[in-house]
This record gives sequence, structure tokens and C-alpha cells, in this order.
Amino acid sequence: GNSVTQMEGPVTLSEEAFLTINCTYTATGYPSLFWYVQYPGEGLQLLLKATKADDKGSNKGFEATYRKETTSFHLEKGSVQVSDSAVYFCALNQGGKLIFGQGTELSVKP
Amino acid sequence: DAGVTQSPTHLIKTRGQQVTLRCSPKSGHDTVSWYQQALGQGPQFIFQYYEEEERQRGNFPDRFSGHQFPNYSSELNVNALLLGDSALYLCASTLVGTGSTTGELFFGEGSRLTVL
Repeated sequence: GNSVTQMEGPVTLSEEAFLTINCTYTATGYPSLFWYVQYPGEGLQLLLKATKADDKGSNKGFEATYRKETTSFHLEKGSVQVSDSAVYFCALNQGGKLIFGQGTELSVKP
Repeated sequence: DAGVTQSPTHLIKTRGQQVTLRCSPKSGHDTVSWYQQALGQGPQFIFQYYEEEERQRGNFPDRFSGHQFPNYSSELNVNALLLGDSALYLCASTLVGTGSTTGELFFGEGSRLTVL
């Protein structure tokens, strides 16, 4: 069945460092892909999405490109801030329901 | 514009008891999904309601049931609670015309259930 695998956390970075969180997926066809973010004590918020191969989703300085050749959707940001500290979830759409990875906790230190 | 609201935010139950969680979708949305998020894990799909019917169901036992009302709000019921049911229960809503194709969901802040 369809599945999503993320790099394990926690990831600890200094402010202004470059961020990469790896995400790979297994799926039939080409599902829409998502990154959701969960700030402490809050629900999940959509960060960005891509609906077809080679699409690049972007928001708040974060980017991810839908790579069907490598079945990947890695999240990147050029310069992280303390306010980016959160748990990040990669997900794919399977017929209207989301299948999530296990989440990657990011901690950014000043 | 109110987002997805859930109640209660926290609750504690004992094994064998029953619990009801409630959700009001974002204004304009007609489809509600429920997810279970265990500590340190990603959310797991429980089921989805549209037009007051369960449209999809994940790999959860029949102890988990739900309902959707004419105003699109929804309830999640869990019977015969087990210790392993302790989790954050998330409600998500969408408009079926967009949700079924793009998968973009709007989530509430969740109801944290602790089973002792």
C-alpha cells in the first residue's frame, strides 16, 4: 500500500542554517504531496503542496519539489528562524485521505 | 471566518468507558475526517464523513464510530476504551469538490484523550 517515510528527528539547527528534511513515498500513480507543520500546542497547518511531478510547492521560504524519478518530496529552507521550530509532516493524498509520515521535529537555536 | 473547532480539548477516561468527541468544520466545508495521532507519530486516518454517511474508513476497529449532522458537524465515538486509545484526535474538514482531488485539509487543534 501507499506509504510515506521521513528522516528521523529531532533535527537541531542554529538560526540562519540551511534546512533539509527528507521525505520519500511509495504510491500507485502520482498522488498529490504535502508538507504540514505542527507548532507546539497547535493543530496541523498546511505548509505547501504539489499536485504533479516536477511541481515545486513553496511558502514562507520553504520549498519542496515533486520528484517522481526518486519518489521524493524533500523540504528545504535556506535560512531557518527560531520561529520555525515545530514538527513537520510529509503526506500524500490517497483518494481523499492523507497518509502521513512519522514527523520530523525541528529545533532552531538562536 | 471560524476554522475547525473541536471539543473537549483534553479529557481523561478509564479503561472500558466510552467517549464522544465533537467537531465543527470550517465554514463552507462539507466533509469531515478524523485522525488519531499517537505520541511521536504521524496522524492515522480513522474515517471520513460526507452527506451524513461514512465514505471511507481506515484500519480501526468497530469500537470507533462516528456521525455527521445536517449542519456538517461531526462526532467521533469510541467504546470500550483501551490504554492504547490514548492519543490526540484530530478533526479535519474540506469541501468535497476540492478535497477529493487535492487532499488539502484544514485541521482543528485536536482533543487529547488520556485513558487510565
